Amino acid sequence: TQLLEQSPQFLSIQEGENLTVYCNSSSVFSSLQWYRQEPGEGPVLLVTVVTGGEVKKLKRLTFQFGDARKDSSLHITAAQPGDTGLYLCSSDSWGKFQFGAGTQVVVTP
Amino acid sequence: GAGVSQSPSNKVTEKGKDVELRCDPISGHTALYWYRQSLGQGLEFLIYFQGNSAPDKSGLPSDRFSAERTGGSVSTLTIQRTQQEDSAVYLCASSLSPTGGDTQYFGPGTRLTVL
Repeated sequence: TQLLEQSPQFLSIQEGENLTVYCNSSSVFSSLQWYRQEPGEGPVLLVTVVTGGEVKKLKRLTFQFGDARKDSSLHITAAQPGDTGLYLCSSDSWGKFQFGAGTQVVVTP
Repeated sequence: GAGVSQSPSNKVTEKGKDVELRCDPISGHTALYWYRQSLGQGLEFLIYFQGNSAPDKSGLPSDRFSAERTGGSVSTLTIQRTQQEDSAVYLCASSLSPTGGDTQYFGPGTRLTVL
């Protein structure tokens, strides 16, 4: 079973600041997904990264996959209150999806 | 429907009772997943279905938990003799196939409270 470690566990920042959250594993990821979950809802997929060194951008969100495919980061530029949520990384092993514990991000106006 | 639906949205039960949770996946999605999420925590994988078959049941926490899927569509997760530690949000997701990287679409979850 691949263990996904996310850091930090909690992040509180002011609107307009930047933030980065991390997802690490001792094993190589076949692919990695980032989700955002808001209270009372299920997670929503943000991005999937597959290739080592890959960088994907989604508006103010930048996702990076490590060269060795063992780590990934999510960077948010100029955070807004709408970015508040639980950010989860996930990877799969033959159909069994593993999730990290998540980083709770709170962006205050 | 347009998305994954789950029912009930909330369930309060007494310790020792059985509960049944239902998931309606997106039409045409062959893969269906059940997860459990405790307060403020990540998702714990329970079981997935490819069609009506569950290739891997090892994520189920105990033999009080069982799941089935009929007609390649609706799935039910049954918890027998509920315990207080079963209290959590139970999330269902579906995808076109269970291959790696395929997008999972999640339902809103069922919040189970065992008194």
